[in-house]
Amino acid sequence: KQEVTQIPAALSVPEGENLVLNCSFTDSAIYNLQWFRQDPGKGLTSLLLIQSSQREQTSGRLNASLDKSSGRSTLYIAASQPGDSATYLCAVPSEKLVFGKGTKLTVNP
Amino acid sequence: NAGVMQNPRHLVRRRGQEARLRCSPMKGHSHVYWYRQLPEEGLKFMVYLQKENIIDESGMPKERFSAEFPKEGPSILRIQQVVRGDSAAYFCASSPLNRDSQSSYNSPLHFGNGTRLTVT
Repeated sequence: KQEVTQIPAALSVPEGENLVLNCSFTDSAIYNLQWFRQDPGKGLTSLLLIQSSQREQTSGRLNASLDKSSGRSTLYIAASQPGDSATYLCAVPSEKLVFGKGTKLTVNP
Repeated sequence: NAGVMQNPRHLVRRRGQEARLRCSPMKGHSHVYWYRQLPEEGLKFMVYLQKENIIDESGMPKERFSAEFPKEGPSILRIQQVVRGDSAAYFCASSPLNRDSQSSYNSPLHFGNGTRLTVT
């Protein structure tokens, strides 16, 4: 049974810092891994999708890496801004999409 | 191109009442998924439907919960005789493809903004 864990549960940083969010999964036989952003009172916005054959995926200031063998993914956010404040969720498909509990990020001006 | 539409955004029900949550998928999408997010918890899969068919309801509680996706109209998640423990955010997602096929996992799901159910 696939389980997804995200560390830390919450993170508060000053504006401009580079930061890393971590995601680990127990079953390395995955098709891909997705990172989502959830704003308070809103739904989920897909940020990045990394295929199992890829090691990295980039979109603007976001960079996601995937290490299937160790069951880990990281989301790197460069030069963080207050608008990046949200909860970040990673998810892997395993019959259904299995989500971590998320990391709540606060970027302080 | 409108995204996944859910209504109502907020729903308050007293214990014992019924709650009906609606989800209209993105245009052209024929597959709908319902997820529940409890406070401080991750999203948990509930049910996967195609038009007029329930494909996978392994995440649905055995009693009081039901879901449908009729040929015409939105998908409905129905909770009968609600209890305080049903208070949560319920999210709907849609996809154009059957996610049992490997290639379909290459496209991300599109989520709605959710319905926040409060049972008093």
